[in-house]
Amino acid sequence: NAGVTQTPKFRILKIGQSMTLQCTQDMNHNYMYWYRQDPGMGLKLIYYSVGAGITDKGEVPNGYNVSRSTTEDFPLRLELAAPSQTSVYFCASSYSHSNQPQHFGDGTRLSIL
Amino acid sequence: QKEVEQNSGPLSVPEGAIASLNCTYSDRGSQSFFWYRQYSGKSPELIMSIYSNGDKEDGRFTAQLNKASQYVSLLIRDSQPSDSATYLCAVSGGSNYKLTFGKGTLLTVNP
Repeated sequence: NAGVTQTPKFRILKIGQSMTLQCTQDMNHNYMYWYRQDPGMGLKLIYYSVGAGITDKGEVPNGYNVSRSTTEDFPLRLELAAPSQTSVYFCASSYSHSNQPQHFGDGTRLSIL
Repeated sequence: QKEVEQNSGPLSVPEGAIASLNCTYSDRGSQSFFWYRQYSGKSPELIMSIYSNGDKEDGRFTAQLNKASQYVSLLIRDSQPSDSATYLCAVSGGSNYKLTFGKGTLLTVNP
């Protein structure tokens, strides 16, 4: 079982560059999420989606964009990379919200220099 | 805004001891509670979920929930060095159905 797959695993960007972090899940989950995790901090929700075509902002959405054209895919876009976006990014999915646990991908470690 | 607080740690216990991890939450309407384990450099992995007051046991792990006190804990019996990880408490439901994570508690089990 693949579960939640994230690519790439590591990336170094220069300030001002853009990139897309890919996330796909094969569990037919309706809900998908993007988090960032900074050292010593918990997971902060960036964006989430409750189904194809529906997305909404989380706690820290500034500097990011998302789209959800299919149930399986939920890419995260960084348009103008800034050093403050250096972090580990996790994609997660769940069958529904609230009482269902979330399943996480392996993460993308992103450095902005 | 929903807040989830965990004992800051790090917590160090000898092999075979009981490790006790604690978590409090601010939203009294919260309904679902999860414990995730995160090894260094890895992604969070669900180890326990609990939805009603009382204890829930799964192998060496016991989750305890007290909604009146807004408190959830995780006990790890017969701790093993392989239990050394950061444990994340996560809460959802109530006024904000999204999952809110605590900052985590680093547990080290010494052989």
